[in-house]
Amino acid sequence: KAGVTQTPRYLIKTRGQQVTLSCSPISGHRSVSWYQQTPGQGLQFLFEYFSETQRNKGNFPGRFSGRQFSNSRSEMNVSTLELGDSALYLCASRRGRDTEAFFGQGTRLTVV
Amino acid sequence: GEDVEQSLFLSVREGDSSVINCTYTDSSSTYLYWYKQEPGAGLQLLTYIFSNMDMKQDQRLTVLLNKKDKHLSLRIADTQTGDSAIYFCAEDVFGNEKLTFGTGTRLTIIP
Repeated sequence: KAGVTQTPRYLIKTRGQQVTLSCSPISGHRSVSWYQQTPGQGLQFLFEYFSETQRNKGNFPGRFSGRQFSNSRSEMNVSTLELGDSALYLCASRRGRDTEAFFGQGTRLTVV
Repeated sequence: GEDVEQSLFLSVREGDSSVINCTYTDSSSTYLYWYKQEPGAGLQLLTYIFSNMDMKQDQRLTVLLNKKDKHLSLRIADTQTGDSAIYFCAEDVFGNEKLTFGTGTRLTIIP
């Protein structure tokens, strides 16, 4: 059974650009959530989607957005990139509420 | 609200047991998780415990939960060099649809 797949693994972007990250959950999992990991702030929750609906959102500016498709794949977008957006972005997949969360390998975003 | 705390560092001799501790604040937690992160990698789910349990054992891993003190621990028996990593505890509160993570404990193995 394939795990959670995140693409791309690495990205380098320039300040002011935008970026789209992709996450394919484990087959049969309908919940996808996103986390940002930085040395200073640790692991911070961005948002969670279930059946194409956003159910919860973390405390991030509106430049951070996401969506989920009917096949449960999810994308997150960051517009007008800032240096502080450099981080490891992790996606987690769950079958549903109150089930184990499995993480992908992450996308390492560097903003220069 | 949710807040999860862990000590930052732990050093253990190879072959000894490692005990990583975590405290949480939300009494509504349903599941409590332990994840392992190796350099450059994502989070690997090690084990979890449901909030109505006191203990869970899974091969070399033992999780203890003290609900009264909101204290969670992970014991790794016979610690090996491959156990070197950062260990995160996380709490899951029903209805929040998110995990709240601790700061992570960096486990170093001394040969």
